[in-house]
Amino acid sequence: AAGVIQSPRHLIKEKRETATLKCYPIPRHDTVYWYQQGPGQDPQFLISFYEKMQSDKGSIPDRFSAQQFSDYHSELNMSSLELGDSALYFCASSVIQEKQETQYFGPGTRLLVL
Amino acid sequence: DAKTTQPNSMESNEEEPVHLPCNHSTISGTDYIHWYRQLPSQGPEYVIHGLTSNVNNRMASLAIAEDRKSSTLILHRATLRDAAVYYCILRGRYNFNKFYFGSGTKLNVKP
Repeated sequence: AAGVIQSPRHLIKEKRETATLKCYPIPRHDTVYWYQQGPGQDPQFLISFYEKMQSDKGSIPDRFSAQQFSDYHSELNMSSLELGDSALYFCASSVIQEKQETQYFGPGTRLLVL
Repeated sequence: DAKTTQPNSMESNEEEPVHLPCNHSTISGTDYIHWYRQLPSQGPEYVIHGLTSNVNNRMASLAIAEDRKSSTLILHRATLRDAAVYYCILRGRYNFNKFYFGSGTKLNVKP
């Protein structure tokens, strides 16, 4: 079965650079979520989109922005990168089953800021 | 979404059953109980969810207390591949927003 695809899988950037992470949801999933997971921490919700509109926002820095495109893929844009942005970034897409939503996570993008 | 409490870590022997508890004393009548797990260096994956009745699927069973203030995820025969962090998450009916991942339980499976 098709899964959530994230690219790139690994990314190394310098401080103050920009990065763009991409997420391709499972076909026919209309909702995309972004999470950040720092070393030894639990995933923290950043932002979500439903039908190409932002549906919810978490602890996402103002330096980050995201959008969902007409083909439902999503991109997380990160500017003025800081050392503390080094983390795993997960994307998830979701489907509603029996009035409940199940999120399917991608393999993540590991970002290292030097 | 209401808060959940799980032990920080548990240990099990391979091929033995594992019972992972979760307390959610402030659960509301319309909250569903979801379990996700995160294998090392992977994204979280859905395990099971339920509302009131016990649930079974190919991965696990979910036993829900009669008062719904606690639940137990049951892995019938633990394998080394089941070593992961297990998260118990409450979701309101029609709540299609962010997940709050608590601390979860880190399960170690010994050969």
